[in-house]
Amino acid sequence: DVKVTQSSRYLVKRTGEKVFLECVQDMDHENMFWYRQDPGLGLRLIYFSYDVKMKEKGDIPEGYSVSREKKERFSLILESASTNQTSMYLCASSSPGRTDTQYFGPGTRLTVL
Amino acid sequence: QKEVEQDPGPLSVPEGAIVSLNCTYSNSAFQYFMWYRQYSRKGPELLMYTYSSGNKEDGRFTAQVDKSSKYISLFIRDSQPSDSATYLCAMKTGTASKLTFGTGTRLQVTL
Repeated sequence: DVKVTQSSRYLVKRTGEKVFLECVQDMDHENMFWYRQDPGLGLRLIYFSYDVKMKEKGDIPEGYSVSREKKERFSLILESASTNQTSMYLCASSSPGRTDTQYFGPGTRLTVL
Repeated sequence: QKEVEQDPGPLSVPEGAIVSLNCTYSNSAFQYFMWYRQYSRKGPELLMYTYSSGNKEDGRFTAQVDKSSKYISLFIRDSQPSDSATYLCAMKTGTASKLTFGTGTRLQVTL
């Protein structure tokens, strides 16, 4: 079974703090993704990575950066958290192929006060 | 206009009903179509995928794709309270690894 884990289920941070969200997958997948999910807006892609040290901007990269130093780990960084970054953050991984099925972690509910 | 449109619901049906969930899309390059199910406070999980037009059945679930109309559907027969979840459609082109998601439809199956 594919397993994608995220470092925290719930996180509360203050405006201006630097925030790290960690994601680990155990299936040797090349691709990893970070999304945020908001009511009425669905899943929006922030960044994705198709290999170690490789990254590509998604639809809403502003205010975020990422790091992928090892194949199994993909980190999302909020350089200076703001209240409009309060959201559910979901990590996913996949292996390139016909279907590119993405496997999701349980999500991190981030609240920025 | 969004690339993928999905009615957010909520959709409330009695147990045993047939449920129809739908998405429309505008990008004719989409070739692979998926349905994800997301329970409350969990990540989405893949329910079904189809390639190009046609039907695919898996137990109580049937996925249907009509590429000429740019319309996909998920049918749930004999719906159960355990089917209560948000259903997200997703699609991709042949070469891309990125998925484009609908906003999700929240389904409630009542006893």
